[in-house]
Amino acid sequence: EAQVTQNPRYLITVTGKKLTVTCSQNMNHEYMSWYRQDPGLGLRQIYYSMNVEVTDKGDVPEGYKVSRKEKRNFPLILESPSPNQTSLYFCASSLNQRVNTGELFFGEGSRLTVL
Amino acid sequence: QKEVEQNSGPLSVPEGAIASLNCTYSDRVSQSFFWYRQYSGKSPELIMSIYSNGDKEDGRFTAQLNKASQYVSLLIRDSQPSDSATYLCAVIRVMGGGNKLTFGTGTQLKVEL
Repeated sequence: EAQVTQNPRYLITVTGKKLTVTCSQNMNHEYMSWYRQDPGLGLRQIYYSMNVEVTDKGDVPEGYKVSRKEKRNFPLILESPSPNQTSLYFCASSLNQRVNTGELFFGEGSRLTVL
Repeated sequence: QKEVEQNSGPLSVPEGAIASLNCTYSDRVSQSFFWYRQYSGKSPELIMSIYSNGDKEDGRFTAQLNKASQYVSLLIRDSQPSDSATYLCAVIRVMGGGNKLTFGTGTQLKVEL
């Protein structure tokens, strides 16, 4: 089954404790992206990657890191989480030639709470 | 001014009625327009795309685009309770470093029995 898998789905952590949210897709997509979704602010892009070893900042990259060492994986790293990073996070992927068609496949989301 | 604006709702319509969801965008050079549906607690899924002025129909859904007025709308005919969800408008804007997909904050639709 074609899918984007995120882990963990739910996480409560404390300020400053490094964490990683993993994202893996099995569709051989070149493009992968991370979004956060907050009430009243909608989906905002954190980072994206057009291919292996190529990553770029989105609209709200501060406090986050990413890496793209393999095509299928795109982990999101919070080196020192803060309460303002409490949010619902989505990973998405697409074929590069389909990105301009808006055809993103989203993971199920990871709800993160930072105390 | 937000790049993509939607009324947050909730928009309540009776079952069987037409639901009309609206979206405006600020960048005149925006090229492509999309509607995503997001059920509560779930991830967004693409349901419609439109690239040219006019209407595009797909089953009970019709997307309408008016580039001169910078708005895009989604009509849902014969609304069903299963259509109750948040509908996200998304727009591709042409940027210097490449195209960018920007989402609105979404309109919550409630279809009542």
